[in-house]
Formats: sequence, structure tokens, C-alpha cells
Amino acid sequence: QVQLQESGPGLVKPSETLSLTCTVSDGSISSYFWSWIRQPPGKGLEWIGYIYYSGNTKYNPSLKSRVTISVDTSKNQFSLKLNSVTAADTAVYYCARVDYYDKIPVNGFDTWGQGTMVTVSS
Amino acid sequence: DIQMTQSPSSLSASVGDRVTITCRASQGIRNDLGWYQQKSGKAPKRLIYAASSLQSGVPSRFSGSGSGTEFTLTISSLQPEDFATYYCLQHNSYPWTFGQGTKVEIK
Repeated sequence: QVQLQESGPGLVKPSETLSLTCTVSDGSISSYFWSWIRQPPGKGLEWIGYIYYSGNTKYNPSLKSRVTISVDTSKNQFSLKLNSVTAADTAVYYCARVDYYDKIPVNGFDTWGQGTMVTVSS
Repeated sequence: DIQMTQSPSSLSASVGDRVTITCRASQGIRNDLGWYQQKSGKAPKRLIYAASSLQSGVPSRFSGSGSGTEFTLTISSLQPEDFATYYCLQHNSYPWTFGQGTKVEIK
């Protein structure tokens, strides 16, 4: 059973860059799509974007100008960078695996990490 | 963006009750919809995919139906471990969007 674990700083200053990594264990990062989702405290879920193991990406337009998702297949990891953060970016950030079929993402998120809280504050 | 509207936003129910949650899409999404359960302080867990397919390991009291713009999640007999918040997710069009959530509480 594949497992995902998020890691990174829990506190980021306003205007700086939020950087998180998701490590995939008990499974290969190859052949799947991998995604980031966030949830502000007490609020709902927002899809940030995904990356295919080959490097192709898709982002939420609401964040596209500030987001970069990358993959390192040699380390079985993928990463999120969100620049110019503000207090509105304070949230629990989840990484998740996306089902696929014939190189197309289907059926949403079948496996999630436990999530990591990131607070934006000076 | 496709808006996903869940109803109700919250409900109170007793153990053994039949519970129904609805998710409406602002435009047709075929059956590109999933249902997720989130318990307090935990990551969401997929219950249903492709509108009506039960995720492996999920109890059969959970079921999903619908296509196009209206979808339903039904819990046939509510159990103590089912008290949680439920979200629908559409992955038909970008950006993928979630419903606002339905909190199921103990009556």
C-alpha cells in the first residue's frame, strides 16, 4: 500500500516562498499523477494542481502565477513551491495520488498524505 | 469554473438512520465525481469514485448515484464511525473543484 508523507517548514514569512515535499513510499512514483490540495483552517478543500511522473503539470488558475510543482523520480518525491505568500495561504497542505488510465488522470485522489500545517506569519 | 453545491451543509442524525447528501454541479460533468469522508484532524478518504463505484475496503452501507449535474451519497444505516464531514469532488473540467462539505453530527 503506497504511503505519502509531506514535509517542510511549518512557518513561512509573508512575501516569501512556501516549499513542501511529498515522499512516496511502498510504491513507485512512476506511471501516476501526483497532486497538492490545501485546506485553510475550518474551511473546505482547494485543488492546487498536479504533475505527471514525466513532468507534465496542470495548475489551478487561481494560483497558477505563483505555483510550481516538480518531481524527482530518483528520490520518489514531488514538491510544491508557492511564492509571494500571504496570510490567505495559511492552510493544511495535502499531497495525494491521482488515479490514471491510459496516461489520463481519472477518478480523483485515491491516496492522501496526512497533511502538514503551514502558517504564514511574520 | 464548475461550482459544486452540496446540501445540506450540515445534518444531525442518529445511529441507524438513513442519510442522503446531494451534490449539484453548475454544468454537466458526466460521472466524473467522487465522494470523500474527512474526520476531524485527518486527511480525506475516498469513499466513492466515478459517481457510483465503491472504493475497495469501504463498507457497503455507503453508496453513490447520479450523472450529469445531480449526485447523491447515501449511508444506509449510520454508524458511530460515520460522523464526519463529506465532500464531493468533480474532476471533469479544470480546475477540479470540491463541494463546500456536509458535516454529519450526532443527534
